[in-house]
Amino acid sequence: EIVMTQSPATLSVSPGERATLSCRASQSVSSNLAWYQQKPGQAPRLLIYGASTRATGIPARFSGSGSGTEFTLTISSLQSEDFAVYYCQQYNNWWTFGQGTKVEIK
Amino acid sequence: QVQLQESGPGLVKPSQTLSLTCTVSGGSISSGDYYWSWIRQPPGKGLEWIGYIYYSGSTYYNPSLKSRVTISVDTSKNQFSLKLSSVTAADTAVYYCAREAVTTGGLAWGQGTLVTVSS
Repeated sequence: EIVMTQSPATLSVSPGERATLSCRASQSVSSNLAWYQQKPGQAPRLLIYGASTRATGIPARFSGSGSGTEFTLTISSLQSEDFAVYYCQQYNNWWTFGQGTKVEIK
Repeated sequence: QVQLQESGPGLVKPSQTLSLTCTVSGGSISSGDYYWSWIRQPPGKGLEWIGYIYYSGSTYYNPSLKSRVTISVDTSKNQFSLKLSSVTAADTAVYYCAREAVTTGGLAWGQGTLVTVSS
């Protein structure tokens, strides 16, 4: 099983600032990685697939990068609606999710 | 735009079988372009993939749940289903159905349904 490790567990950021979230795979997943945003009481929403392709309707302030074992989700200028939990998911070998990063208001 | 909706009992007794159905609208479950999946999330915890089915009936299950899971598809009703046997309190979770594009990845999710295992 490929283990996905996200860091940090919690990220405190002020509105308007940049947020950088990391996701590491225990072995290479090529570019078969997605990022999701989840708000309380809601289902996750797809942000990024293929490590760097934004899903339909996702604002340009969200960007993904990386390949192999190291991945990053960047939110360039945090808006109030961006405070949420973010998960990475690999789909190169079955599927596994990271444990999540909570982005909270500083 | 595809929509997925979970349905089934919200309360299941220990040792019994959890059964859920996902109804797909706005797209055909017979499309070879997608995997149809179940994922769960215990209260306050992270996401766990349960398994998925392809329109042909091929299934792939999380090894940790494989002995208790069955996923099936009914193309005539545009639905797919989950059965999880011998449930315990540890199976209490929000259960989501989802669709993943075969070629590009990335999941489109249903709204989820909470299933509580309790006597």
